[in-house]
Amino acid sequence: EIVMTQSPATLSVSPGERATLSCRASQSVSSNLAWYQQKPGQAPRLLIYGASTRATGIPARFSGSGSGTEFTLTISSLQSEDFAVYYCQQYNNWPRVTFGQGTKLEIK
Amino acid sequence: EVQLVESGGGLVQPGGSLRLSCAASGFTFSSYDMHWVRQATGKGLEWVSAIGTAGDPYYPGSVKGRFTISRENAKNSLYLQMNSLRAGDTAVYYCARDSRGEGYFDLWGRGTLVTVSS
Repeated sequence: EIVMTQSPATLSVSPGERATLSCRASQSVSSNLAWYQQKPGQAPRLLIYGASTRATGIPARFSGSGSGTEFTLTISSLQSEDFAVYYCQQYNNWPRVTFGQGTKLEIK
Repeated sequence: EVQLVESGGGLVQPGGSLRLSCAASGFTFSSYDMHWVRQATGKGLEWVSAIGTAGDPYYPGSVKGRFTISRENAKNSLYLQMNSLRAGDTAVYYCARDSRGEGYFDLWGRGTLVTVSS
């Protein structure tokens, strides 16, 4: 099983500032990496796939980078609606996908 | 409207069974691989099962032999039969659409809560 590790577990950032979230895979997943946003009581929402492609309707302030085992999600200027939990997911081993444990992005 | 709606969750005793359903609408259901993903309260996401467009099923070791995924394209519906339930199966269960069969999920339902407790 490919283990996905996210860091930090919690990130405190002020609105308007930049947030950088990390995700590491236990073995190479090429660019088969997605990011999701989840707010309390809601289902996850796809943000990024292919490590760097924004999903339909996702604002340009969200960007993804990386390949192999190291990935980053960057939110360039945090808006109030961006405070949520973020998960990375590998799908290199379809259909046996695995998720990271999540990073909670909270208001500083 | 493009959506997935789960149903069938509830309280069940350990060792019991439950069948979840997921109704799809607004897209050609038969053209998509589909998955079930669960989330225990306050925890992360865990892949539970997948089914291809041809009906081929896939499971992780944690549920293999206990859970059965199926689909009925004529009814635009996905199912998850869960047997021999354990306390550790307690979670919100989401059905999710696999975008282009690549393995990332571009459409999720709102989930249905399964509680396994005596």
